[in-house]
Amino acid sequence: AQSVAQPEDQVNVAEGNPLTVKCTYSVSGNPYLFWYVQYPNRGLQFLLKYITGDNLVKGSYGFEAEFNKSQTSFHLKKPSALVSDSALYFCAVRGSNYQLIWGAGTKLIIKP
Amino acid sequence: EAGVTQFPSHSVIEKGQTVTLRCDPISGHDNLYWYRRVMGKEIKFLLHFVKESKQDESGMPNNRFLAERTGGTYSTLKVQPAELEDSGVYFCASSHSRGPAYNEQFFGPGTRLTVL
Repeated sequence: AQSVAQPEDQVNVAEGNPLTVKCTYSVSGNPYLFWYVQYPNRGLQFLLKYITGDNLVKGSYGFEAEFNKSQTSFHLKKPSALVSDSALYFCAVRGSNYQLIWGAGTKLIIKP
Repeated sequence: EAGVTQFPSHSVIEKGQTVTLRCDPISGHDNLYWYRRVMGKEIKFLLHFVKESKQDESGMPNNRFLAERTGGTYSTLKVQPAELEDSGVYFCASSHSRGPAYNEQFFGPGTRLTVL
């Protein structure tokens, strides 16, 4: 069965430090992977995607994600965190019928 | 370009009542998806329209949920009668085209449904 796991409910990072939000997936065939962010009282916003090509994908707001096929992971990263990055982050994989299959979400808290 | 809009933003109803959620996709997007997030759990797929046709409704929880997309434009999701476990945030998304390549889904702000 296709699934996505985000092992951390919450990640706390000091402003200016690098951040990583973890995601692992299980899917048959080649994965189409996504990260979305939800700011308070806002909808889901697309951050980045991996379809094929380079394992390091760059996205919006300075975020990037690294696709690792052997570890079936797609961790979200940013070299230097901002307080404004505090939000809820969701990892997703595209299912066989084009629907998105989601992780449970990780709350990212950046402290000044 | 206007984004995906959803109405209402919040709805509070009593158990047993009926609620209808509306989603207006981005103009020209053939694909429309409904998802929901219940009680802080993962977001779950409900169904997928391609134009006015239901392409996949495997995620619909039961027959109390009815989705329509007449004319292939906006969509409604009706819950009748609502139960306590239906509380959550209902998201709508749309995308431009379907094919072997990826199609990015654009999301609306969601409707927060509370069933008392």
